[in-house]
Amino acid sequence: DAKTTQPPSMDCAEGRAANLPCNHSTISGNEYVYWYRQIHSQGPQYIIHGLKNNETNEMASLIITEDRKSSTLILPHATLRDTAVYYCIVRVGVWGGADGLTFGKGTHLIIQP
Amino acid sequence: GAVVSQHPSRVICKSGTSVKIECRSLDFQATTMFWYRQFPKQSLMLMATSNEGSKATYEQGVEKDKFLINHASLTLSTLTVTSAHPEDSSFYICSASPSGGTRTYNEQFFGPGTRLTVL
Repeated sequence: DAKTTQPPSMDCAEGRAANLPCNHSTISGNEYVYWYRQIHSQGPQYIIHGLKNNETNEMASLIITEDRKSSTLILPHATLRDTAVYYCIVRVGVWGGADGLTFGKGTHLIIQP
Repeated sequence: GAVVSQHPSRVICKSGTSVKIECRSLDFQATTMFWYRQFPKQSLMLMATSNEGSKATYEQGVEKDKFLINHASLTLSTLTVTSAHPEDSSFYICSASPSGGTRTYNEQFFGPGTRLTVL
């Protein structure tokens, strides 16, 4: 799986959009970009994933650059409950099954009141 | 939907005892489950992949005789830490992947974790 680079920490004001960057310059053509988050002392939570098109769901938006070497997770209106460690993971998708995930150090997002 | 539970949520045991942790998929069947370990201020590390009805596959450096994994049904996997020692104290988290493919590619759902403290 391709390596990812994320800033170790970020602050964001409550109610503002939180933009979390991720670099994955060695990504292969068949690798997807996944985002998970982990609130303190809880299991990780799936947020969103994409291959090359931008994606949006009820939690967030994922913007992937045209060359696919970087992406940005956007939480449109951050709340205090969004304070968590956010992990960007690049990996080959497996249809009908799954592989274990390799977690990096992630970005600790702190939402300020 | 797609809820994974773990039991117990916290356990404290004496050194040398064995501890069993259960991971259940509550509203879906999971052919594959995964076990992770997380030490304080560190990221999750994959320990093993558990496939229903077959032997688990362990990651390099994980002792299979110490961390016994059983995946006897499509909704239950267990991790037994045998002869636990203080260095085994950690946060153990399982995840489950729905059987038969889903609308979301390579989906995994995580349990809430089990905090193990070995005295």
